[in-house]
Amino acid sequence: DTAVSQTPKYLVTQMGNDKSIKCEQNLGHDTMYWYKQDSKKFLKIMFSYNNKELIINETVPNRFSPKSPDKAHLNLHINSLELGDSAVYFCASRGSGPREQFFGPGTRLTVL
Amino acid sequence: DAKTTQPPSMDCAEGRAANLPCNHSTISGNEYVYWYRQIHSQGPQYIIHGLKNNETNEMASLIITEDRKSSTLILPHATLRDTAVYYCIVKNFYDKVIFGPGTSLSVIP
Repeated sequence: DTAVSQTPKYLVTQMGNDKSIKCEQNLGHDTMYWYKQDSKKFLKIMFSYNNKELIINETVPNRFSPKSPDKAHLNLHINSLELGDSAVYFCASRGSGPREQFFGPGTRLTVL
Repeated sequence: DAKTTQPPSMDCAEGRAANLPCNHSTISGNEYVYWYRQIHSQGPQYIIHGLKNNETNEMASLIITEDRKSSTLILPHATLRDTAVYYCIVKNFYDKVIFGPGTSLSVIP
């Protein structure tokens, strides 16, 4: 079974639209993250949630709104999509202590 | 900003050991050294981590110098599937993971 899953895998949409990416982890982890990897391949953290509470928001535009309905899910909603939002978005989760992060397979978002 | 320095790229012959260096001269006492890798188009994958002792698992070995200012990730018998970008990350386990540009390892047949 996949530990961290994301849907959809690919998302192509027009500028100005609103879209959501879903993430689920079945590892029982308390902490979940969203990362953005742009065309230059740098991975940048966007948000971190611990037990459904936001703990990191890395100066991401407020068009991006994460939502954690429960500990196993962290969804990312994006309003008014812009060309610069085109990237691969990765969800990740981590257990407590000095543990590693587990990453999802990524969602490739293309804004036309 | 990443607290580590890695060479941008390296080559390794298939079947040989791949030794990937990382400098982290400003590491503090409670910070761990983590290694991840990202195979093309996939999510990053955890490899190994350590505090001050050398560590080994089924994927790799991690050698940390006594002063903890540098480390080396060793893939003992590199295969073509080990071609990836390798990230060395230094952090307290509560901290967020900050990825630098990493080292692009090419395993050559």
